[in-house]
Amino acid sequence: EVRLWEFGGGLVQPGGSLRISCETSGFTFTDYAMTWVRQAPGKGLEWVASVSSGAVSTYYADSVKGRFTISRDQYQNTIYLQMNSLRVEDTAIYYCAKTLGSYGLYYFDHWGQGTLVTVSS
Amino acid sequence: DIQMTQSPSSLSASVGDRVIITCRASQGIGSNLAWYQQKPGKVPKLLIYVASRLQSDVPSRFSGSGSGTDFTLTISSLQPEDVASYYCQKYDSAPPTFGPGTKVEIK
Repeated sequence: EVRLWEFGGGLVQPGGSLRISCETSGFTFTDYAMTWVRQAPGKGLEWVASVSSGAVSTYYADSVKGRFTISRDQYQNTIYLQMNSLRVEDTAIYYCAKTLGSYGLYYFDHWGQGTLVTVSS
Repeated sequence: DIQMTQSPSSLSASVGDRVIITCRASQGIGSNLAWYQQKPGKVPKLLIYVASRLQSDVPSRFSGSGSGTDFTLTISSLQPEDVASYYCQKYDSAPPTFGPGTKVEIK
């Protein structure tokens, strides 16, 4: 059974930093790209960032480019999202998703339960 | 970037009704479209990919069609457990953009 579980969310002040993580099991982690998708309270889904299966390529939404960094640990079957210079509009539930496709042409077949990041003073 | 729109933004239908949700891309995306279901307070779930292929364990009352710029998600006979928001997502090119969603309720 595929399992994804995110942790590390919390309350952070504007301009601050936070790193969230997603541990996985139940599939061959190194065969799949992985992605972060977020959902602001009461809003729709927004793709944030993806990392290729071999960690060679990363892709970012314009809204987070230069502030967020996605990475993966191939031995710990875990992905990370380092978030810097956080803004109030980054407040959202952050989901990690097992990703199908290649070269940035991605869709998402399994999702974690999400971790809430709140940016507020 | 290619923009995705959905219509209607919300709908209310009776149990057993046929429900059709439309997704439109601002440029052609071939068949590179997925549909997701998100029940209230729950995690999104992949329903359909490549515009019309049903993900495993998804009931056969769900179907998808279309290519290019116009796509539809059809629920052939609406059930109470189908109350949810439905999102299309294109993946022909980066960024993989979601539509704004359609909220489906029971009348």
